[in-house]
Amino acid sequence: LAKTTQPISMDSYEGQEVNITCSHNNIATNDYITWYQQFPSQGPRFIIQGYKTKVTNEVASLFIPADRKSSTLSLPRVSLSDTAVYYCLVLSGGYNKLIFGAGTRLAVHP
Amino acid sequence: GAVVSQHPSWVICKSGTSVKIECRSLDFQATTMFWYRQFPKQSLMLMATSNEGSKATYEQGVEKDKFLINHASLTLSTLTVTSAHPEDSSFYICSAEYGTGDTEAFFGQGTRLTVV
Repeated sequence: LAKTTQPISMDSYEGQEVNITCSHNNIATNDYITWYQQFPSQGPRFIIQGYKTKVTNEVASLFIPADRKSSTLSLPRVSLSDTAVYYCLVLSGGYNKLIFGAGTRLAVHP
Repeated sequence: GAVVSQHPSWVICKSGTSVKIECRSLDFQATTMFWYRQFPKQSLMLMATSNEGSKATYEQGVEKDKFLINHASLTLSTLTVTSAHPEDSSFYICSAEYGTGDTEAFFGQGTRLTVV
């Protein structure tokens, strides 16, 4: 499983766009990039998943460059409720054994 | 999305007793479920993979005789912490695989275990 590296913490303010970048230099050809969000005392929640280029849903966008060695989760116009830990994971296609890294603790301020 | 429910949400038990935590997939069948443990301010640590009808696969360093996992049906996996001690106090979370080849995991809400 490819190892991921992401910032330990980030601060932002309400209404700003937040970009969290994750490095996964050893990503394999069949691997997907997945992001999860976790609030305190809750289980993680799936945010977005992608393989290459750009993926967008109602919550976030995921940008993946051509070499796929990194990815950026973009949260548009964050609010206080987006304060959470965000985990970047790389998983092999069809395999759900998720190994979590340290994650990025995002704090959104008024 | 698919729903995974854990019970109880929190439990306090005395040192030396055993505690059972249930993980249910409410609207789908899960042949594979995963159990995680999370200490305060730390990430999730995978403990074991639970497969319906077979023995669980434990991660290195996880005592299988202490953390008993049973996956007797396609919608229920249980984790029993045997002879609990204060150092077992943690947040236990399960996840379920929605379907074969699907790469989105659904997590339960977690169970806060406090051993006193």
